[in-house]
Amino acid sequence: AQSVTQLDSQVPVFEEAPVELRCNYSSSVSVYLFWYVQYPNQGLQLLLKYLSGSTLVKGINGFEAEFNKSQTSFHLRKPSVHISDTAEYFCAVSDRGTYKYIFGTGTRLKVLA
Amino acid sequence: DADVTQTPRNRITKTGKRIMLECSQTKGHDRMYWYRQDPGLGLRLIYYSFDVKDINKGEISDGYSVSRQAQAKFSLSLESAIPNQTALYFCATSDSGQTSLAASDTQYFGPGTRLTVL
Repeated sequence: AQSVTQLDSQVPVFEEAPVELRCNYSSSVSVYLFWYVQYPNQGLQLLLKYLSGSTLVKGINGFEAEFNKSQTSFHLRKPSVHISDTAEYFCAVSDRGTYKYIFGTGTRLKVLA
Repeated sequence: DADVTQTPRNRITKTGKRIMLECSQTKGHDRMYWYRQDPGLGLRLIYYSFDVKDINKGEISDGYSVSRQAQAKFSLSLESAIPNQTALYFCATSDSGQTSLAASDTQYFGPGTRLTVL
């Protein structure tokens, strides 16, 4: 069965430092990959998604992610974080054979002043 | 106004009670979903509906039922609530106009309903 692993449950980082949030998935079929962000007391919103084409995907708020098929990874990066990036980040995968999203368990990013 | 609204936003109920969570959207999307979020478990799909006459079970549908009253409305019911249904519940929508393949859809989430079952 398909699964998504977010290796870090919490990531503290100082403001203006770079950050990488890790996501690995297990699937032998073609997949679509997503990163969503959840700010406190809000629903999730899409940061970026990979459907096909260039493996480097740019999203909103300066985030980007790279699809690595050989390592089955889709890590999220930002070169310089802000206090306002404090939130929970979810990786999700769906495969082209079915419709369903599988969400990871989330990574809480805490940006420190 | 929010595109996807959920009512109530918070609810405390007792074991055995019937409860309904409602979701409405003004986005004109035809696909709608119900998820629950538990700490450390991420989001899990309860039910989904690709149009008014299409209802499908997700990975954790036991103890839940749904009703798609109209394209814009999708309700989740707990017929007899139990404490392990305490969770944050999210409704989401997506648009089949993006692509016929739902797996590639962007989903748009409501603000959530925090449900506590005592």
